Parts: sequence; C-alpha cells; structure tokens
Amino acid sequence: GAGVSQSPSNKVTEKGKDVELRCDPISGHTALYWYRQSLGQGLEFLIYFQGNSAPDKSGLPSDRFSAERTGGSVSTLTIQRTQQEDSAVYLCASSPPGTVTYEQYFGPGTRLTVT
Amino acid sequence: AQKITQTQPGMFVQEKEAVTLDCTYDTSDPSYGLFWYKQPSSGEMIFLIYQGSYDQQNATEGRYSLNFQKARKSANLVISASQLGDSAMYFCAMRRPGGTSYGKLTFGQGTILTVHP
Repeated sequence: GAGVSQSPSNKVTEKGKDVELRCDPISGHTALYWYRQSLGQGLEFLIYFQGNSAPDKSGLPSDRFSAERTGGSVSTLTIQRTQQEDSAVYLCASSPPGTVTYEQYFGPGTRLTVT
Repeated sequence: AQKITQTQPGMFVQEKEAVTLDCTYDTSDPSYGLFWYKQPSSGEMIFLIYQGSYDQQNATEGRYSLNFQKARKSANLVISASQLGDSAMYFCAMRRPGGTSYGKLTFGQGTILTVHP
C-alpha cells in the first residue's frame, strides 16, 4: 500500500515568508508525528496527534510554528515569518492503532531552505 | 528526561562481515521502547527493529539483532553479513512510556555506516 507522503519535497522561501508543509499519513493510521532534522540539532520531535485527543505540541520551537490535522488524516505544518534557522528537513511519520511497538513509518521529508 | 547517546559518528565494515552499532540510553521510567532506524542517502527513515523494556529476549529481524543489556542501559544494533546496501545513517531512538506523548521518539545523534566491498 501507499506509504506516508509529504509535499512539497523541496521548498525554498525568503526570510519572513510563511510556508505550509503537508503530510498524508498511511490510511488507517491514527497517530501522526512531525519531526525536524537539521545538522546542528539532529532529529527533534515537534508535534504529535493521536486520534481525537489534544495534540502534544511540546516540541514546537516557537509560536511561529503551528500544525493541524483535519479529519484525522492529512496534517499541515505551518511556519510563519520564516527565519534562516528554520532551514531543515521536516519529516512526518504515522503509526497504526492497536500495536505493541507503535513503530513509526516515515515519509520522505520536505527540505526547507530559508534564504 | 530521556537521552539517547550514540558515540560512534562513523563506522566502517567489510562486506559480509558483522558490525555492531552502539547505543546507550538514560531514562528513569521502568517501561519504554527502543528502536533502530536506517536513513539511506535518499533521506527516508526505515524502521529496522524494536525492543521493549520488558522483553525477555533480544529482538531479531532477519540480519538485524538488538543486543539489549538493560542493567547497562545499552541497546546495540548488530548487523550480520553486511551488504553494500547497508551503507547509511543509523539512528537509535526511545519512545516515551505513556501519557499523552506515548509515541514521541527521542533520537540519538546517529552513526554513519560505510560498507566496503
């Protein structure tokens, strides 16, 4: 079946602009995660959605970052007034319900470059 | 707080040989999960193997096995019979034990594995 998909694959934006990154999880997966991967910080958790529960936003680095998940499926990560330090690869992952391991299946990522 | 440490920035192995990638972790929680992921140059994270803190036996998945030493808080990945396609970055990760952030993963810094022919 189809894996996690993310769009766009690459995004170049000017400092100060807003960007939206999209994630389509695997069908039937109830949990969805956003991570950020950068050279200086490694892999960092950003936000976690689980079903209809309130999301865990504890990893969002500033109030310029927000995310939503519509209809329990597609998620959008929005970064307002982008800064150069926001340049990174943004990875989305999903995991199925009812498993013991809760392994996460990752998408290919969106490479964001802020100029 | 949870912490994962991978002390080997890079490792080299000859094709068909076995290699061990080190991972140590720090947590005060009695229940947790440990994962290894592979990230090839294409960038996609690939799930390899999982070990639960209460699992009595070391996890195995094909050529991958996890050497779990709970008292030492280590979860080393062993790749047997290395192949050229195993060249990639490898991440060790820990899952929080419960609560609203059950699935959140904390990652180590990663180890770049290069397999020589």
